[in-house]
Amino acid sequence: QSALTQPASVSGSPGQSITISCTGTSSDVGSYNLVSWHQQHPGKAPKLLIFEVSKRPSGVSNRFSGSKSGNTASLTISGLQAEDEADYFCCSYAGRSTGVFGTGTKVTVL
Amino acid sequence: QIQLGQSGAEVKKPGASVKVSCKPSGYSFTAFYLHWVRQAPGQGLEWMGWINPHSGGTKYAQNFQGRVTMTSDTSISTAYMELSSLRSDDTAVYYCARDYKESQLWLIFDYWGQGTLVTVSS
Repeated sequence: QSALTQPASVSGSPGQSITISCTGTSSDVGSYNLVSWHQQHPGKAPKLLIFEVSKRPSGVSNRFSGSKSGNTASLTISGLQAEDEADYFCCSYAGRSTGVFGTGTKVTVL
Repeated sequence: QIQLGQSGAEVKKPGASVKVSCKPSGYSFTAFYLHWVRQAPGQGLEWMGWINPHSGGTKYAQNFQGRVTMTSDTSISTAYMELSSLRSDDTAVYYCARDYKESQLWLIFDYWGQGTLVTVSS
């Protein structure tokens, strides 16, 4: 199972919106609405931001939103803030009770 | 509150085995699947497999077949991940994480342990 493809880095200025893509195949992202996104600050465990493509857990800011089209899922961060500077990973169900993560994207707030 | 507490850092020699523990609290241990995920230094996340603490059933990622064993002890509400034949590229932080739907397998991780650093060095 190959990792889902994400851009290595994305940057934006405070207040701007950025979008991170997560490209898989018809065997994972394209076949299931079980895409999730995690945020990870340096030295910390990942934190669930988005699940089932576009749902937010309780307590997660509505500045984070998710979507999917075909084999590509996307995470949008609106109103970018300094605290959003972190690594972001997508994850998808990949069939046969397995999962696969994305390659990860480093978000820099300029 | 829900927490997943993991065992401390380990240093192992190449060829040895390591066993990492994960002790959840704040929910019924047998009600949720537990996954293991690792992260090499400066690298991304890699899904390793899951265990159903209720049945003991497991599923391992192809990359780890034959080298990983996931077990659970319901009497002490603790899950374990043992990795054998360690190599230098197994140096990583190993996380346990809970699947978010009770009694179901969705590969969505809502709670994570703090991570256990395993260093493989001669």
